[in-house]
Amino acid sequence: GENVEQHPSTLSVQEGDSAVIKCTYSDSASNYFPWYKQELGKRPQLIIDIRSNVGEKKDQRIAVTLNKTAKHFSLHITETQPEDSAVYFCAASYQGAQKLVFGQGTRLTINP
Amino acid sequence: GAGVSQSPSNKVTEKGKDVELRCDPISGHTALYWYRQSLGQGLEFLIYFQGNSAPDKSGLPSDRFSAERTGGSVSTLTIQRTQQEDSAVYLCASSFLGGLDEQFFGPGTRLTVL
Repeated sequence: GENVEQHPSTLSVQEGDSAVIKCTYSDSASNYFPWYKQELGKRPQLIIDIRSNVGEKKDQRIAVTLNKTAKHFSLHITETQPEDSAVYFCAASYQGAQKLVFGQGTRLTINP
Repeated sequence: GAGVSQSPSNKVTEKGKDVELRCDPISGHTALYWYRQSLGQGLEFLIYFQGNSAPDKSGLPSDRFSAERTGGSVSTLTIQRTQQEDSAVYLCASSFLGGLDEQFFGPGTRLTVL
């Protein structure tokens, strides 16, 4: 079945610096790749997603890149702020896009 | 409008007892998902409902787990003869179309099996 590997499991950066989280997937048919942010004690929320027909997507300080050949995609957060501290999950669609397989999550800490 | 709601928010039970967890999706959403999140872990897919189609039960870890969705809306996840390893947060999510559509998560039910 589909497997999504996410790295690193924890990441600590200084406020204002950039953070990068990487994911790899195994199903070459995957065509939808969302990223969810889960703040402590709260529910996961979608922050950005990318579909297989594009290689990059930006939304203010957040960007996602996709390399279908290598089967990996990455989340980039620039000018990090304390409110960016959270657990971030990547996911990839599976089985005809009927469901998502999630990575194990990255705990991002922004140090003031 | 109202988001996805789940009840109870917390459930403590004794090993061997049955529990029922409820999910109220966003009105009009055709797809409903159940996930399990163990402490510090990712989101483990359990089951998926899409409209009137047969549910995808491929993620259910054992036959002690079952779920139903009545009238295409409310869903109930039932765990029979609970075990300590069932302790986790159970999250429900719904989406308008399913598949390649944003999933909106509920607040989760924290299940503790003593």
